[in-house]
Amino acid sequence: DAGVIQSPRHEVTEMGQEVTLRCKPISGHDYLFWYRQTMMRGLELLIYFNNNVPIDDSGMPEDRFSAKMPNASFSTLKIQPSEPRDSAVYFCASSASDSYSYNEQFFGPGTRLTVL
Amino acid sequence: QQPVQSPQAVILREGEDAVINCSSSKALYSVHWYRQKHGEAPVFLMILLKGGEQKGHEKISASFNEKKQQSSLYLTASQLSYSGTYFCGTFRQNYQLIWGAGTKLIIKP
Repeated sequence: DAGVIQSPRHEVTEMGQEVTLRCKPISGHDYLFWYRQTMMRGLELLIYFNNNVPIDDSGMPEDRFSAKMPNASFSTLKIQPSEPRDSAVYFCASSASDSYSYNEQFFGPGTRLTVL
Repeated sequence: QQPVQSPQAVILREGEDAVINCSSSKALYSVHWYRQKHGEAPVFLMILLKGGEQKGHEKISASFNEKKQQSSLYLTASQLSYSGTYFCGTFRQNYQLIWGAGTKLIIKP
């Protein structure tokens, strides 16, 4: 398996623009997580899905953030409009809930977002 | 509630040992350890469960004290490749991990 795939790897945009981050989880994994990482706040869980259904979005900072998972192999995180304080590395991770995996999370390479 | 990691940072010479601690104010069912190298994504190291069960990928040992609600990661005979930031995570509910702030480990030759 190719692992968790994220695109783009780097994104530079101007304040006010819409940003869409994409994630393809590992095939067969039923959990998908979106994280944000900054020096100041560390690793923060934004939202997670189980079987394509959002379970907890309490970490989503504002209404400007939205996430979807239309099918088991694709998820998006959208920021509209973007602001400079959204600059961070955004990670997608997936895991399987079967008893043999111990819920190990596999992370994608991340998207480094810079909002000017 | 976020687990507390200590120390925040540690500098070692190659071959020295280190211990990283993770404690929680809430009862723990399991503790997860991940390592993140600079510019890369976090990578799974180990899971420790109540009752002593463990699963890990590398030759890194850890302990889990359920009564004290804490876990410790032991890095012995450290190698340059051990450098990075170590995160512990505890389960809040279902499959949602709550992450500690991280411990930065620097190994010098």
